[in-house]
Amino acid sequence: QSVLTQPPSVSGAPGQRATLSCTGSNSNIGAGYEVHWYQQLPGTAPKLLIYGDNNRPSGVPDRFSGSKSGTSASLTITGLLAEDEADYYCHLFDSGLGAAVFGGGTKLTVL
Amino acid sequence: QVQLLQSESELKKPGASVKLSCKASGYIFNEFAVHWVRQAPGQGLEWMGWINTATGDPTSAPGFTGRFVYSLDTSVTTAYLQISSLKAEDTAMYYCAREDSYGADSFDLWGQGTMVTVSS
Repeated sequence: QSVLTQPPSVSGAPGQRATLSCTGSNSNIGAGYEVHWYQQLPGTAPKLLIYGDNNRPSGVPDRFSGSKSGTSASLTITGLLAEDEADYYCHLFDSGLGAAVFGGGTKLTVL
Repeated sequence: QVQLLQSESELKKPGASVKLSCKASGYIFNEFAVHWVRQAPGQGLEWMGWINTATGDPTSAPGFTGRFVYSLDTSVTTAYLQISSLKAEDTAMYYCAREDSYGADSFDLWGQGTMVTVSS
């Protein structure tokens, strides 16, 4: 059981918007630790999608955006494409504990 | 080309040991920490620990101490993960990942993964 909770699955139609949540607590997200998001396509290694709550690495389309409020973070994907079908993980590094943690992951299905 | 290249898949018997490698190229190796992440079949990502590539100091997550040893060979820009006394439940994909260049503690570069299968 991860300290970061993600819904197991989310679905959306092509062209629509999907919002994936990552719920933590006052000791992690609520304490200000930055949240990062990864996309894992089937059979491949994870890929960094969002770092530092809401920053996109070079090459990541602006259809992907991150936000954070209170003890939760969200990844929003607009204009869903079939190729967005993947597992998505939130992650943070708790420097107080010196430990990183991943959420359990959300499987996004594009209907 | 900036990349992390991991060693090939391993098939081991219970009780054996395995040493996985993660070779970095295209960047200054000792400027970025290397983390290890485990993914059991059909499961999520699990952070195992990390090694400071400047000092060689390792840090393990709870549950990944004792049998798990992190090391470096800076002369060949390679990080290693050795797992001893292998158990069936160690069967998983093991990824190395670089701590980012943004100062945000994310993992901006991943190896392709090494599959370890433990079976008699």
